[in-house]
Amino acid sequence: DTGVSQNPRHKITKRGQNVTFRCDPISEHNRLYWYRQTLGQGPEFLTYFQNEAQLEKSRLLSDRFSAERPKGSFSTLEIQRTEQGDSAMYLCASSLIGGRANEQFFGPGTRLTVL
Amino acid sequence: GQQLNQSPQSMFIQEGEDVSMNCTSSSIFNTWLWYKQDPGEGPVLLIALYKAGELTSNGRLTAQFGITRKDSFLNISASIPSDVGIYFCAGAYSGAGSYQLTFGKGTKLSVIP
Repeated sequence: DTGVSQNPRHKITKRGQNVTFRCDPISEHNRLYWYRQTLGQGPEFLTYFQNEAQLEKSRLLSDRFSAERPKGSFSTLEIQRTEQGDSAMYLCASSLIGGRANEQFFGPGTRLTVL
Repeated sequence: GQQLNQSPQSMFIQEGEDVSMNCTSSSIFNTWLWYKQDPGEGPVLLIALYKAGELTSNGRLTAQFGITRKDSFLNISASIPSDVGIYFCAGAYSGAGSYQLTFGKGTKLSVIP
């Protein structure tokens, strides 16, 4: 199965610590997206990359959050000085460019708990 | 952030019954998508719709892109226990170079055997 993969699947951290998550998209997909999902809500968009360029960022992405996709393949999402409100599922998705670009395929997510 | 209005919030149905759910938006979209999410997993794409009025099927699932471009509907026929989960609608308007999906809050489906 060559779907989207995310690591780690679960992360527990103490408030104030930094955390980093990794996403490996479907290999031929040029676009990569990050979303955040809290309990009882749908996913909310954070940012997206086309190849290595970060083209769009949500207002939800505070300056404590940074995402990179250095070689246009895998991506990392770092949260600095974590707060309890950062506890959520962080989802990564990928898609092709072109007519079906809005068909985004999601990974299993990383569940973050900030104590 | 903006979210779509999805209804109902939850449904309890008997196995074998048909299910209908819908999603409305105050903005127009040029793509509507339906996803299913199981606990602790990411959403799985079920159906994508690209044209107003379009009706698309995927097995027992049928979805429609509303003619106003502000709504979409999902029907599941002859429900089975593995249909249990949370169904999300999502819309996209990529005309301005944005490819973010806007999601509803989900419809939680429970199937009674």
